[in-house]
Amino acid sequence: AQTVTQSQPEMSVQEAETVTLSCTYDTSESDYYLFWYKQPPSRQMILVIRQEAYKQQNATENRFSVNFQKAAKSFSLKISDSQLGDAAMYFCAYWGNNNDMRFGAGTRLTVKP
Amino acid sequence: NAGVTQTPKFQVLKTGQSMTLQCAQDMNHEYMSWYRQDPGMGLRLIHYSVGAGITDQGEVPNGYNVSRSTTEDFPLRLLSAAPSQTSVYFCASSYSGGSYGYTFGSGTRLTVV
Repeated sequence: AQTVTQSQPEMSVQEAETVTLSCTYDTSESDYYLFWYKQPPSRQMILVIRQEAYKQQNATENRFSVNFQKAAKSFSLKISDSQLGDAAMYFCAYWGNNNDMRFGAGTRLTVKP
Repeated sequence: NAGVTQTPKFQVLKTGQSMTLQCAQDMNHEYMSWYRQDPGMGLRLIHYSVGAGITDQGEVPNGYNVSRSTTEDFPLRLLSAAPSQTSVYFCASSYSGGSYGYTFGSGTRLTVV
């Protein structure tokens, strides 16, 4: 089964600075999708960004961008110009061919004013 | 407002009690799923459904039961609650599988004493 690993349980960043959250995954599939979800203290899960594995171009959504390295099975999230509202748990997730979105354990991001 | 509605938001059960977590979506999504979130483990799939009348097990199905009689509703039943089922439960839906990401409900925090 596919596994998703987030090796950074906690990260912190100064407001207005840039931070990168790491994610690696293990799969034998060639066609899949990767996601980053944000979970603020409200507990609501919010989709931040999506990447299609067959596209080499890295996805971007405003201040959020990814570095997708398919051969290395790496999918990191870069948050630019960090804001206080970015403080949350961030989950990396994988969707393949078996109807099961696999999530990493999460990274708690703190933003310091 | 369109979305996924979960009830209740909080629940305390005694060991051995049964209960049903409700989930309803009004987006005509075919795919619905239940996840549990535990600290340090991310979200894990309990059961999922690809359409009315069709359900299947996920990674951690033991102690839970589901049915899907309509497109809109996907209740999760705890048959005989155990302390190990203390968790936060999320219902999620999508139009077709998870390739475009999920829409999540707001979660249910369940405590079994």
